[in-house]
Amino acid sequence: KNEVEQSPQNLTAQEGEFITINCSYSVGISALHWLQQHPGGGIVSLFMLSSGKKKHGRLIATINIQEKHSSLHITASHPRDSAVYICAALTGNQFYFGTGTSLTVIP
Amino acid sequence: NAGVTQTPKFQVLKTGQSMTLQCAQDMNHEYMSWYRQDPGMGLRLIHYSVGAGITDQGEVPNGYNVSRSTTEDFPLRLLSAAPSQTSVYFCASSLYRVTRVEQFFGPGTRLTVL
Repeated sequence: KNEVEQSPQNLTAQEGEFITINCSYSVGISALHWLQQHPGGGIVSLFMLSSGKKKHGRLIATINIQEKHSSLHITASHPRDSAVYICAALTGNQFYFGTGTSLTVIP
Repeated sequence: NAGVTQTPKFQVLKTGQSMTLQCAQDMNHEYMSWYRQDPGMGLRLIHYSVGAGITDQGEVPNGYNVSRSTTEDFPLRLLSAAPSQTSVYFCASSLYRVTRVEQFFGPGTRLTVL
C-alpha cells in the first residue's frame, strides 16, 4: 500500500485553465516535495514545504498538516506545463513518492 | 556546477552479470540517494547516505550495494543482475545537516536485464 496518494492520475486541460493536483499522505511528515518529470524523463524540483503556501510564477503549492493533504495549483496553464507531477513525503531520512499525475495541456 | 551526474545513460545486462551505476555531485551535499522508477509505481528508495562513510537501506534494497567513501560519489552496485531489476534508476542529492531542502536529481540510467 502506497503511503502517498495522488489524484487525479491523468488530467487533460485546455490552455489557460486553472489546474489542481492533490496529494494525500498517511504518515507523519516533516516536509512535502513537489516535483515535475518532463516527457524526456528528467526530474526537477518545484517546491518543498512543511507548512502554509509557496508560490513560484504560475505555480502555487499548499499544505495542510492536520489534514495530511497538499495541493499543487497551476494558473493560466500552458502546453509547456504538460508533464508528470509527483509529490513526495519526507519521513525521517526517507522520501515516499506518489505515482504521479500526468498532465496534458491542449492549445 | 554540473549538479548531479549519472553514468551510464543506458545499459543492457544479462542475468547474473554485475555492474556499477555511477553517481556524482559537486554541490557538497551530505544526503545522497538512489531510486528506481517502474511503470505504474512511484519512485522507490533503494539506499541512501547522510554523509561519507554512512549508508542505510531504503524500501527496496535487496540485490543492491552502496558505499560512500567521499562526499561527491555514491555508486550503486548490482551484484548479480536479475530481470526484476530492469528499471530506470535515479540518483539524487540534497543538503542535510543545516536544513532539509529539495533534492536535485540526476538524468537517470535506463537498465535492461535480459
